Amino acid sequence: GAVVSQHPSRVICKSGTSVKIECRSLDFQATTMFWYRQFPKQSLMLMATSNEGSKATYEQGVEKDKFLINHASLTLSTLTVTSAHPEDSSFYICSASSGGAHNEQFFGPGTRLTVL
Amino acid sequence: DQQVKQNSPSLSVQEGRISILNCDYTNSMFDYFLWYKKYPAEGPTFLISISSIKDKNEDGRFTVFLNKSAKHLSLHIVPSQPGDSTVYFCAARGGNTGGFKTIFGAGTRLFVKA
Repeated sequence: GAVVSQHPSRVICKSGTSVKIECRSLDFQATTMFWYRQFPKQSLMLMATSNEGSKATYEQGVEKDKFLINHASLTLSTLTVTSAHPEDSSFYICSASSGGAHNEQFFGPGTRLTVL
Repeated sequence: DQQVKQNSPSLSVQEGRISILNCDYTNSMFDYFLWYKKYPAEGPTFLISISSIKDKNEDGRFTVFLNKSAKHLSLHIVPSQPGDSTVYFCAARGGNTGGFKTIFGAGTRLFVKA
């Protein structure tokens, strides 16, 4: 199956700093990438959808100025958590889709963000 | 508003028996349904899917049943194995969710006892 990587896998940062998370599709071109966050024992909540070369579409309640998403190429999307606070601590997961009949999504392994 | 619901947070089954995980949805415009399993600190792994034009899809030990009139789907695992113990997410796509945006349920943790 298609492989999606995320970097870093874990990050600990101080409150007020910004953190960038990368999502890469390693063996296919991803026309669309999705960013999710998951709180402990809860579901994956979609944060935003990004298409290569265009602005991301954010879900209701997600601050676009706080969670900056860039999808500069067909294999790379980045999520930057700006001015992170402890409540931003979560598990962030990206997925990538190349289109196809059912627009199958392939998920990355996730990034655990801890804001002190 | 939870459009995809997994009302059982956990399920315990004896090895070799059938595991049945249930999922309900509210949006009648959903046209594609998926099941994922997820291990801690990893991304979800696709298991099996079903289109709304079907009522059953089978892949090895995994079968998904769809009852559109009841807006209900279920995942059957038979025979269950201890290695199946993890969290299973039901997901749905289509209609007015915006193309292929996927909506996830809250997950059901399956325990398969040896």
